[in-house]
Amino acid sequence: DVKVTQSSRYLVKRTGEKVFLECVQDMDHENMFWYRQDPGLGLRLIYFSYDVKMKEKGDIPEGYSVSREKKERFSLILESASTNQTSMYLCASSLRQGPSRELFFGEGSRLTVL
Amino acid sequence: KNQVEQSPQSLIILEGKNCTLQCNYTVSPFSNLRWYKQDTGRGPVSLTIMTFSENTKSNGRYTATLDADTKQSSLHITASQLSDSASYICVVSGLSGAGSYQLTFGKGTKLSVIP
Repeated sequence: DVKVTQSSRYLVKRTGEKVFLECVQDMDHENMFWYRQDPGLGLRLIYFSYDVKMKEKGDIPEGYSVSREKKERFSLILESASTNQTSMYLCASSLRQGPSRELFFGEGSRLTVL
Repeated sequence: KNQVEQSPQSLIILEGKNCTLQCNYTVSPFSNLRWYKQDTGRGPVSLTIMTFSENTKSNGRYTATLDADTKQSSLHITASQLSDSASYICVVSGLSGAGSYQLTFGKGTKLSVIP
């Protein structure tokens, strides 16, 4: 089974703190994604990566950055957390080829910024 | 603009009853449509994928339909169980202008099955 592991299920941070969310997948997938999920808004794409050291902006990249130094690991960074970044963050991975790529999600990281 | 609309937003049904969730999309050109199930506090998991040529596909008590002409899909759940309580998310894959595939997410339907 594909496993996508997110480092923290729950985090509480203060405004202005730097936040690292880490994601590791064990199926050698080329693509990795970071989404945030908010009530009434659904899942929104923050950033994605299709290869090591490659990254592409999604729909809502402002206030976030990412790092992919190894194929299996994709990190989301909040340089200076703000209260409007309180959300559920979901990491996903998929194979690169073909239109029917299934997304495999982690369990999510619920971040609260005070 | 590509859009995926799901209805209803939420639904409460009695255990053992059937229900149908709807997904309408305007994604073009269309490639495929997936239904995901997301249990509370967990990540979404794929239930089924529908491609252009498929009208109906079953996965246990879940049956998905696709009408590519009207750009509508439905997910029918038969003999609901308490474990069916979850959010169901419709995700449509379309070909973007750059030649890659882009995913458009619906906002989900929250299903509650009560005893």
